[in-house]
Amino acid sequence: DQQVKQNSPSLSVQEGRISILNCDYTNSMFDYFLWYKKYPAEGPTFLISISSIKDKNEDGRFTVFLNKSAKHLSLHIVPSQPGDSAVYFCAATVSGTYKYIFGTGTRLKVLA
Amino acid sequence: DSGVTQTPKHLITATGQRVTLRCSPRSGDLSVYWYQQSLDQGLQFLIQYYNGEERAKGNILERFSAQQFPDLHSELNLSSLELGDSALYFCASSPLNSTIDNEQFFGPGTRLTVL
Repeated sequence: DQQVKQNSPSLSVQEGRISILNCDYTNSMFDYFLWYKKYPAEGPTFLISISSIKDKNEDGRFTVFLNKSAKHLSLHIVPSQPGDSAVYFCAATVSGTYKYIFGTGTRLKVLA
Repeated sequence: DSGVTQTPKHLITATGQRVTLRCSPRSGDLSVYWYQQSLDQGLQFLIQYYNGEERAKGNILERFSAQQFPDLHSELNLSSLELGDSALYFCASSPLNSTIDNEQFFGPGTRLTVL
């Protein structure tokens, strides 16, 4: 049972435009969500997170939106840069459970 | 560089064998997490240790076991290996025993190939 789903395996965007990566979840107990970026031959690196008590969190070019009623979150990257080309994973957790559930990832390609 | 080291980088072995993957967390981090990433799959949480004690278990097979030593390094033992165990195995560390407001730092992974 995949509780965190990233239905788009890949996405291509022109440099300077907005990249929108989507993530859906099924477990209504999740109360904290994170996005990680992964380059080839490296481990994932933390990008941005959001608590379920918020609907938006912004950090520079990266903004995460949370729609709890739809059980959906999205990561917006604007403007997109070629260096953003990577695999992006969303993850979710229930506070106190000590474990994260990751999605399968979306490969973003930013075209120069 | 996340500060988390994993050895070996690559491991090729045969079915039925046993291997040990090693992880050294960032200096001062007490929590260690192990994940498995198979082809086209997300990261599957296996197990977490905090200061030497097991704290959470995910989809870890009975053939797999882990431990965290007093110096906080951790080892993941995989035995009776099967072809399907071929995957990238990541270790991550964090300072706290919590998933909230507690960033995980990932190592570069160990690629295991079972032939």
